Amino acid sequence: DSGVTQTPKHLITATGQRVTLRCSPRSGDLSVYWYQQSLDQGLQFLIQYYNGEERAKGNILERFSAQQFPDLHSELNLSSLELGDSALYFCASSVADSPYEQYFGPGTRLTVT
Amino acid sequence: TQLLEQSPQFLSIQEGENLTVYCNSSSVFSSLQWYRQEPGEGPVLLVTVVTGGEVKKLKRLTFQFGDARKDSSLHITAAQPGDTGLYLCAGKGGNEKLTFGTGTRLTIIP
Repeated sequence: DSGVTQTPKHLITATGQRVTLRCSPRSGDLSVYWYQQSLDQGLQFLIQYYNGEERAKGNILERFSAQQFPDLHSELNLSSLELGDSALYFCASSVADSPYEQYFGPGTRLTVT
Repeated sequence: TQLLEQSPQFLSIQEGENLTVYCNSSSVFSSLQWYRQEPGEGPVLLVTVVTGGEVKKLKRLTFQFGDARKDSSLHITAAQPGDTGLYLCAGKGGNEKLTFGTGTRLTIIP
C-alpha cells in the first residue's frame, strides 16, 4: 500500500460524457502527478500540481483539466469523452516539487463505450 | 521529445534463469528510475540511479546507469515467479519532467 488513494477504481461511461477522478496523496506529500496508461501509448505524464499550483504539463488534452485543493487532494476532470480515452489513470505523489521519489496510487480504470 | 526504448518488449523465461532488460535513449538524463508494475496496481519504485556508470543492487536485481547517462540495464539473477510484472524505466531530464519507457513485460514460469 503506497498510501496514495484513488477513487473510483473502475468507471464505465459513454462517449461525450464527463467524469471526475479523485486522488488523495500520501500524508505530507505536496506534489500530485496524473498519468494515463494505455496499451499503445504506455505511461504518459499528464500534469503536476504542487501545493495547489500547477507546476508542469505533459501530454494533457484540452478536454482534460485538473486541480489540487487546499487539503491537497486532487481531481482530474475528463470531458467530451472519446473511445480513445479508455485507459488506466494513475495519480502519484511526492514530498517535493520533483518526481524524484514518487508513489503511485492503484489507478482508476476508465472504459468509454 | 525524450524517448526511452525498452527491450525486449516481452520476455518469458524459466524460474532460476538469469535475464537482462535494457532501457535506451539518445537523450541524456540527470537520473533514471526503474519501476515494477503488477496487474491492477500502480508502478512501484525499485531504484534511482544518478551518476554515470553507477551500479545499484537490490537483492537479486542489479541496476546499471550507462556512463553517458543515456541508457540503463536491469539484470535479474535466478529469477523467481514473484519477479513477474511490467518493468518500466523512467528518465528525468533537464526540464525535471519524468519520461517513462515503453516497458518490458516479464513472465517467470515456475
